[in-house]
Amino acid sequence: DQQVKQNSPSLSVQEGRISILNCDYTNSMFDYFLWYKKYPAEGPTFLISISSIKDKNEDGRFTVFLNKSAKHLSLHIVPSQPGDSAVYFCAANNYGQNFVFGPGTRLSVLP
Amino acid sequence: SQTIHQWPATLVQPVGSPLSLECTVEGTSNPNLYWYRQAAGRGLQLLFYSVGIGQISSEVPQNLSASRPQDRQFILSSKKLLLSDSGFYLCAWSVTGGNYEQYFGPGTRLTVT
Repeated sequence: DQQVKQNSPSLSVQEGRISILNCDYTNSMFDYFLWYKKYPAEGPTFLISISSIKDKNEDGRFTVFLNKSAKHLSLHIVPSQPGDSAVYFCAANNYGQNFVFGPGTRLSVLP
Repeated sequence: SQTIHQWPATLVQPVGSPLSLECTVEGTSNPNLYWYRQAAGRGLQLLFYSVGIGQISSEVPQNLSASRPQDRQFILSSKKLLLSDSGFYLCAWSVTGGNYEQYFGPGTRLTVT
């Protein structure tokens, strides 16, 4: 049973436009959500996170939205840049326990 | 600042051979430590995590084992590798009781032939 899902394995966006990456989860006990960015042959790097008590967190070009009732979160990147091309992982945990990662979405930003 | 090291970066091993991957963290004390595997085209699978020296929790049954002989050292081992053990192995750490963010090492690419 996949507790964290990223239903789009890949996404292509034009440079300068908005990239929207989606993530759904099934475990209502999850209370903290994170996005990681991963380049080939490197470890993932932390990007942005959100606690379940919030519905939005913003850091520069990156914004994460959380809809608890729908068990859905999304990462918005505006404006998208070619250097944003990478695999993005959504992750969730409950009080620091039970870390679960989604399968990832490969984002390609086209110049 | 904190740094996490993993070695080797790449490894090619025959089926049935032993394995030892090492991970060390600098700049922090009593971290939570994790081993993940990313198989080709797949997400990150948590293999083991540790909240302290000698304390190891296993998430999936397999022919791998983990040990934490020192506070900032985490070792992934196998007595006999299988073809299915091929993948990208990642070590990560997080602050105990902190903000739940995990920080990853550079990874080890293991190919079992």
